Amino acid sequence: AQTVTQSQPEMSVQEAETVTLSCTYDTSENNYYLFWYKQPPSRQMILVIRQEAYKQQNATENRFSVNFQKAAKSFSLKISDSQLGDTAMYFCAFREGSNYKLTFGKGTLLTVNP
Amino acid sequence: DSGVTQTPKHLITATGQRVTLRCSPRSGDLSVYWYQQSLDQGLQFLIQYYNGEERAKGNILERFSAQQFPDLHSELNLSSLELGDSALYFCASSVGGTAGTDTQYFGPGTRLTVL
Repeated sequence: AQTVTQSQPEMSVQEAETVTLSCTYDTSENNYYLFWYKQPPSRQMILVIRQEAYKQQNATENRFSVNFQKAAKSFSLKISDSQLGDTAMYFCAFREGSNYKLTFGKGTLLTVNP
Repeated sequence: DSGVTQTPKHLITATGQRVTLRCSPRSGDLSVYWYQQSLDQGLQFLIQYYNGEERAKGNILERFSAQQFPDLHSELNLSSLELGDSALYFCASSVGGTAGTDTQYFGPGTRLTVL
């Protein structure tokens, strides 16, 4: 069974600085997809970024980028120019290529300080 | 706003009771998913429907059931409720046609409190 591990339960960063959230996963599959979801205090789950395992290029969405290391099974999220609105729980998620089920990590609570 | 709607936002009920959670997917999405988020279990996949038919099952209890109707909205029925069923229940939707490029978008969730 696939597992997703987020080793940092909590992190904090100063506004305008850069922070990196870690995620590792375990799978024997070669075709899969990885996601970062954000859950602010409103509890809404918001898709931040996705990465296809077959793509070597790291995904980027504005201030959010990933460092995808397939051999190491690592998928970290970098947030540049952190903003107060980035304060949220961040979940790393995994999905097999032929499956629809998302497997989530336990989450990292990120606090952006003014 | 993801385009996925869920009702009600909050639900408070007693042990042993039965409740129904409702979800309307984004326009054009055929697939609906239900997830449970609790403090001890985290986010867990419960079940998926695609165009009215069950497609995948996760850690869903026998006391729980779901269905997807012809208009594609879905309902999650929880019965014989226990204190441990208190959680945030999310519905997500996606196009669902081909697993490869599919991305799930989540609704705002229903907060269930069992007293």
